[in-house]
Amino acid sequence: SYELTQPPSVSVSPGQTASITCSGDRLGDKYVFWYQQRPGQSPVLVIYQGSKRPSEIPERFSGSNSGNTATLTISGTQAMDEAEYYCQAWDSSLIIFGGGTNLTVL
Amino acid sequence: QVQLVQSGAEVKKPGASVRVACKASRYTFTNYAIHWVRQAPGQWLEWMGWINAGNGNTKYSQNFKGRVTLSRDTSAGAAYMELSGLVSEDTAVYYCARGWDLKRNYYYYGMDVWGQGTTVIVSS
Repeated sequence: SYELTQPPSVSVSPGQTASITCSGDRLGDKYVFWYQQRPGQSPVLVIYQGSKRPSEIPERFSGSNSGNTATLTISGTQAMDEAEYYCQAWDSSLIIFGGGTNLTVL
Repeated sequence: QVQLVQSGAEVKKPGASVRVACKASRYTFTNYAIHWVRQAPGQWLEWMGWINAGNGNTKYSQNFKGRVTLSRDTSAGAAYMELSGLVSEDTAVYYCARGWDLKRNYYYYGMDVWGQGTTVIVSS
């Protein structure tokens, strides 16, 4: 079965750039989606189709996808960006989630 | 705005079944799919399945070995998730989320609107 691998944790200083990766076999051939989940809240879609941002998501969130790795980049990271981030892709008609990355802003 | 509102928390005994409801508002319910996703305490998101709210077709994760059944009531604009044979490991928050526009290809879409989550506790 298809798997997506994320680092368990990433740390970043306020105002710096955070990069969260998601790896999978030939992932660049698929559309990738990224979700932000703050503690006690429902997930929120922050990137869709690998690099597109919903209108309500700040411009500091961006995404890329090539080869075997997709990357979520947060520029000028703010304290409010501290959350768990999940990547997601389709494998045929099944949904696959990565294991999540805890982003700490310190 | 587009909204999914889920039913309230449930406490069930091992071996029982649970049914969670998800009511949609401010969009045409039958034009989109609905996904169900769960999250055990301190754990990651786990996809359970989707239902085509238009024609009722479903797809399930093999991880649930036939224990999950998705359905919908188009007149009520609601989707339902039933999980049977509950064990303590089924203790989790269960989410519904809006999926793809049924007039388009599914792989273009993620989950753009989520319900607030329903806590299910399985305990003897």
